[in-house]
Amino acid sequence: DIVMTQSPDSLAVSLGERATINCKSSQSVLYSFNNKNQLAWFQQKAGQPPKLLIHWASTRESGVPDRFSGSGSGTDFTLTISGLQGEDVAVYYCQQYYTSPWTFGQGTKVEIK
Amino acid sequence: QVQLQQSGPGLVKPSQTLSLTCAISGDSVSSTSAVWNWIRQSPSRGLEWLGRTYYRSKWSHDYAASVKSRISISPDTSKNQFSLQLDFVSPEDTAVYYCAGKTSVTNSATFDVWGQGTMVTVSS
Repeated sequence: DIVMTQSPDSLAVSLGERATINCKSSQSVLYSFNNKNQLAWFQQKAGQPPKLLIHWASTRESGVPDRFSGSGSGTDFTLTISGLQGEDVAVYYCQQYYTSPWTFGQGTKVEIK
Repeated sequence: QVQLQQSGPGLVKPSQTLSLTCAISGDSVSSTSAVWNWIRQSPSRGLEWLGRTYYRSKWSHDYAASVKSRISISPDTSKNQFSLQLDFVSPEDTAVYYCAGKTSVTNSATFDVWGQGTMVTVSS
């Protein structure tokens, strides 16, 4: 199985500041057929199911604010929230869909400082 | 807009079978570009993908090794839904269970719609 490891486990950021979350996969998730990274980011607010924010490592889902951006390739990825808003308080997960079983990171909790 | 509505009991006795259903609206369980999944979440295991069902020219299934001997995911085309059965449950199966789909109505590459979640407790 591909192991997904996120860092940090939690972070506190002031409103309007940048939050950066890292995700590392135990093997490359770059699919050579289409040269796309099979990596997604989810946001989970308290009491809600996860919500897909980004797929293909950097493609935002429709309706996701552009302060959310994804980057990286191969085994190392980053989710950046530029200008943290109060509604961004949540746990964020990365997930690989390169190979079954699809696996998630352990989550990063983002709070307001 | 695709929506998933879960139903099923929140309490199951040890050694019995956990059964949940996920009703789909706005898409088809038989869509040849959709994939329908069950995922669970617990403090000890985090988010854990359990399995999926999908239709291409025939129905296919794919299960996580951790539950492969105990799980079945079945489509019901007459009701446009799919279900989860997990046999011989133990307290370690206590979790919030989600159905999730990679739907055919968007270009998303992974779980773009989720059910509301069902907290299932395994206890006598």
